[in-house]
Amino acid sequence: TQLLEQSPQFLSIQEGENLTVYCNSSSVFSSLQWYRQEPGEGPVLLVTVVTGGEVKKLKRLTFQFGDARKDSSLHITAAQPGDTGLYLCAGEGDMRFGAGTRLTVKP
Amino acid sequence: DAGVTQSPTHLIKTRGQQVTLRCSPKSGHDTVSWYQQALGQGPQFIFQYYEEEERQRGNFPDRFSGHQFPNYSSELNVNALLLGDSALYLCASSRGGGHPDASAKFFGPGTRLTVL
Repeated sequence: TQLLEQSPQFLSIQEGENLTVYCNSSSVFSSLQWYRQEPGEGPVLLVTVVTGGEVKKLKRLTFQFGDARKDSSLHITAAQPGDTGLYLCAGEGDMRFGAGTRLTVKP
Repeated sequence: DAGVTQSPTHLIKTRGQQVTLRCSPKSGHDTVSWYQQALGQGPQFIFQYYEEEERQRGNFPDRFSGHQFPNYSSELNVNALLLGDSALYLCASSRGGGHPDASAKFFGPGTRLTVL
């Protein structure tokens, strides 16, 4: 079983601040996905990272896949209240998600 | 292009009853996965269906069963409901068969099940 650990579990920041959340595993993944889930809705796919060391940008969100493909990070620049939600990671070939990071951005 | 749809959106049952939840995958997707998400937690994998067969299963009892139809839609059945089965049940569709995008899952809005 590939275990995904996400940190921090909770994060509350002010609008305009930067933040980074992490997804770590002892296993190697062929690819890894990040999702965001808002209350009462299903998770929405944000990005898939495939290559070790890969960096992908989605507006103010920057995703990085570790060189060894065991970990990933999500960095948000100048966070906005609309970024509030549960951020989840999931590894390819594994049906399991991490427990998620619950982000609250206060106006 | 319709995304993943689930029905019903909300459901209230009593302990011991049985429930059936339904899911229609995104167009072009042939694989359906079911998840249980308790309040404040991440989704927990129940099982996955591909080519009308259960391919993988999480740590859930046999009270949880499913089915996939030839049109790729799927049902989740839960028997002998317990209070602890109250949760948001999510369906996710993806492309199977080794497709490069196979791991990317598209989720429906979920069915909120309350067991009283």
